Amino acid sequence: QQQVKQSPQSLIVQKGGISIINCAYENTAFDYFPWYQQFPGKGPALLIAIRPDVSEKKEGRFTISFNKSAKQFSLHIMDSQPGDSATYFCAASGSPGAGSYQLTFGKGTKLSVIP
Amino acid sequence: DSGVTQTPKHLITATGQRVTLRCSPRSGDLSVYWYQQSLDQGLQFLIQYYNGEERAKGNILERFSAQQFPDLHSELNLSSLELGDSALYFCASSVGAGGIIETQYFGPGTRLLVL
Repeated sequence: QQQVKQSPQSLIVQKGGISIINCAYENTAFDYFPWYQQFPGKGPALLIAIRPDVSEKKEGRFTISFNKSAKQFSLHIMDSQPGDSATYFCAASGSPGAGSYQLTFGKGTKLSVIP
Repeated sequence: DSGVTQTPKHLITATGQRVTLRCSPRSGDLSVYWYQQSLDQGLQFLIQYYNGEERAKGNILERFSAQQFPDLHSELNLSSLELGDSALYFCASSVGAGGIIETQYFGPGTRLLVL
């Protein structure tokens, strides 16, 4: 079964620090890698996404680093703020040839940013 | 607010019963996806409908079924419920069939508790 492995399960970071969440995948047919952010009581919301033709994508304080040969990608949150406290999910999706961009999710990382 | 609505927000029922979860996609979106989120399995893709037709199937049990109606709203039917079916059920929508990279917008979810 297609899998995306995410670590760590939980993360505590001080305000202003860097939060790093890692994911690894197995299926080389994956070619779209989004990160979703979920606050308690809410549905996941797209945060940032990358395709394998670039090694890094930055949007504000959020950066995805992508290593195609290692089949790994990571989310870096710079200058972490208490408002960033949420659960973060990495995901991966296949090519159009598969007929559907269904998402395969990692199990999530609960981030707590303490003042 | 993603624009995706789900009802009910909470549902408590007994084992062996049948329930129906409802989802209305964002205006203009033709695809609806259903996901199950549980503590041990994380977020798992169940099924996708595009413009009324089943497009892709994931880890959906035979006791579960879904459909998408002409007005594009979707219903997920869960029958012969077991304790293990207790979970958060999310609906997501996207503009097209998912054959190209599209953002999936998630609803707030329905929390199902089977006693």
